[in-house]
Amino acid sequence: SQTIHQWPATLVQPVGSPLSLECTVEGTSNPNLYWYRQAAGRGLQLLFYSVGIGQISSEVPQNLSASRPQDRQFILSSKKLLLSDSGFYLCAWSRREGDTGELFFGEGSRLTVL
Amino acid sequence: GQNIDQPTEMTATEGAIVQINCTYQTSGFNGLFWYQQHAGEAPTFLSYNVLDGLEEKGRFSSFLSRSKGYSYLLLKELQMKDSASYLCAVMDSNYQLIWGAGTKLIIKP
Repeated sequence: SQTIHQWPATLVQPVGSPLSLECTVEGTSNPNLYWYRQAAGRGLQLLFYSVGIGQISSEVPQNLSASRPQDRQFILSSKKLLLSDSGFYLCAWSRREGDTGELFFGEGSRLTVL
Repeated sequence: GQNIDQPTEMTATEGAIVQINCTYQTSGFNGLFWYQQHAGEAPTFLSYNVLDGLEEKGRFSSFLSRSKGYSYLLLKELQMKDSASYLCAVMDSNYQLIWGAGTKLIIKP
């Protein structure tokens, strides 16, 4: 069966500090990978998606970046966090082809920037 | 622009039935999803509709009318554990998911 894990689950960071959130998927190959952010009372905001190693599409210009160094690994980074980066970050995967496009989410990472 | 509308919050009684509506305006349509999200947790998949009509899955059913840009999620025999947010999402012509802000459902005994 397929699993997805992301970490850390919770972190509190000062403004201007760097960020690294990591996500890995097991039990499938060539997945589409996604990073979402969820702010309170708002819909899920797609930040990045990837259809393959080294292929990253950015949906929202910001001080965040993403990388996919391996097929089932997706990393969200920032060099300098802003207060507005606080939120609930979700990694997700979907099958590349032959499916509805259903997303499977990781456990989420709650980031508080102080 | 693309838009998904659903009520912000609803309250229902344990054992009752509740219907959560979702209306959408998107560039193209490749399916509509409902997800359940408990507080502090990740969303989990509930249902998928791509054709008009009703899809039933246990206590949960989802309806779609593409001509009206409308869907609803019907929850029967409500249980306390159904207290959660319910997210409506539409896949547009580019196969990107457009998300509603979610409906927080509060179940009272």
